[in-house]
Amino acid sequence: DVKVTQSSRYLVKRTGEKVFLECVQDMDHENMFWYRQDPGLGLRLIYFSYDVKMKEKGDIPEGYSVSREKKERFSLILESASTNQTSMYLCASSELGSRADTQYFGPGTRLTVL
Amino acid sequence: DQQVKQNSPSLSVQEGRISILNCDYTNSMFDYFLWYKKYPAEGPTFLISISSIKDKNEDGRFTVFLNKSAKHLSLHIVPSQPGDSAVYFCAAISSGTYKYIFGTGTRLKVLA
Repeated sequence: DVKVTQSSRYLVKRTGEKVFLECVQDMDHENMFWYRQDPGLGLRLIYFSYDVKMKEKGDIPEGYSVSREKKERFSLILESASTNQTSMYLCASSELGSRADTQYFGPGTRLTVL
Repeated sequence: DQQVKQNSPSLSVQEGRISILNCDYTNSMFDYFLWYKKYPAEGPTFLISISSIKDKNEDGRFTVFLNKSAKHLSLHIVPSQPGDSAVYFCAAISSGTYKYIFGTGTRLKVLA
């Protein structure tokens, strides 16, 4: 079974803090993704990575950065957290060239920024 | 601009009846469509997909219909079960890209 794990299920941070969200997958997938889910807006892509050290911006990259130093790990970084970054963050992974039916999601991290 | 729309934020259906969830899209370059199911406090899980060369795909109780001329797809669940209660997202993708465009989701409640 493919497993995508996220470091925290719930996180509370203060405005201005630097926040790291970690994601690890155990299926040797090339592609990894970070989304945020907000009511009425669905899932929006923040960044994705198709190889180690490679990344591409998604639809809403502003205020975020990512790091992929190892194939299995994809980190999302909020350089200076703001209240409008309060959201559910979902990590996903998939095989290179695959369609979304092999995109596996983690359980999500609910981040609250006070 | 929302390229993939789910205009019904919620739907309630009696157990045993049919659930129909709808999704509209605007980008004619989309050639693959998917439905995901999401329970609270869990990540979305893949449910069923359809390629643009087909107009129907069936998997057990779940059937997805695609009407390319209307840029519309629907998910039928027959018969509906209480365990189907979840948020359903449709998504679309174009060949050669990794970028999935998700709809806003429909919360389905199946009443026992």
